[in-house]
Amino acid sequence: GESVGLHLPTLSVQEGDNSIINCAYSNSASDYFIWYKQESGKGPQFIIDIRSNMDKRQGQRVTVLLNKTVKHLSLQIAATQPGDSAVYFCAETGANSGGSNYKLTFGKGTLLTVNP
Amino acid sequence: GAGVSQSPSNKVTEKGKDVELRCDPISGHTALYWYRQSLGQGLEFLIYFQGNSAPDKSGLPSDRFSAERTGGSVSTLTIQRTQQEDSAVYLCASSLRDSNQPQHFGDGTRLSIL
Repeated sequence: GESVGLHLPTLSVQEGDNSIINCAYSNSASDYFIWYKQESGKGPQFIIDIRSNMDKRQGQRVTVLLNKTVKHLSLQIAATQPGDSAVYFCAETGANSGGSNYKLTFGKGTLLTVNP
Repeated sequence: GAGVSQSPSNKVTEKGKDVELRCDPISGHTALYWYRQSLGQGLEFLIYFQGNSAPDKSGLPSDRFSAERTGGSVSTLTIQRTQQEDSAVYLCASSLRDSNQPQHFGDGTRLSIL
């Protein structure tokens, strides 16, 4: 989930298990959400996105769930692999992001560690 | 190239010097963004360019920061009279258009101010 301060939430799973990473957002007008994966020394890598008119979207081994009622977003990774170890960020934007819908607001991230 | 390209990948400079960071977006992407990522933090929006429109500079932390985008493609972020608090990773992203499109990031420039 989201962190307060400098300490990243961490999730440690065994290889082959499913992982669920959570994100809470505060802007009820947010209408576009993205999950990014960031490995050490790299830029954020796009994983999957979802618009507010949907509550679920699936990709390859990943599923994003959106609950607008409680302003909660989750990323599910099936059969987690060591290569999935990284920091995962949720990001959101919406019509009242300063009057724009391009300015992404990022969460602090969650560190996923996959143990072989 | 296939992705967003940033240079240099690392930059170490003395406090008070000026630095210039470069971003080459994905070909055909009209929107370009700069973000800053401090150690252990999320990404902080700095500036946004879209086509020939006036850039959104609302995220620039001080007037020592400026950016330009020439010919609708390459962008440079300039920091004048660098301070130690400017040390961070500066990330550039581009997207096909601005609204509801994923932003694709480069690997950033890691800036260290001594």
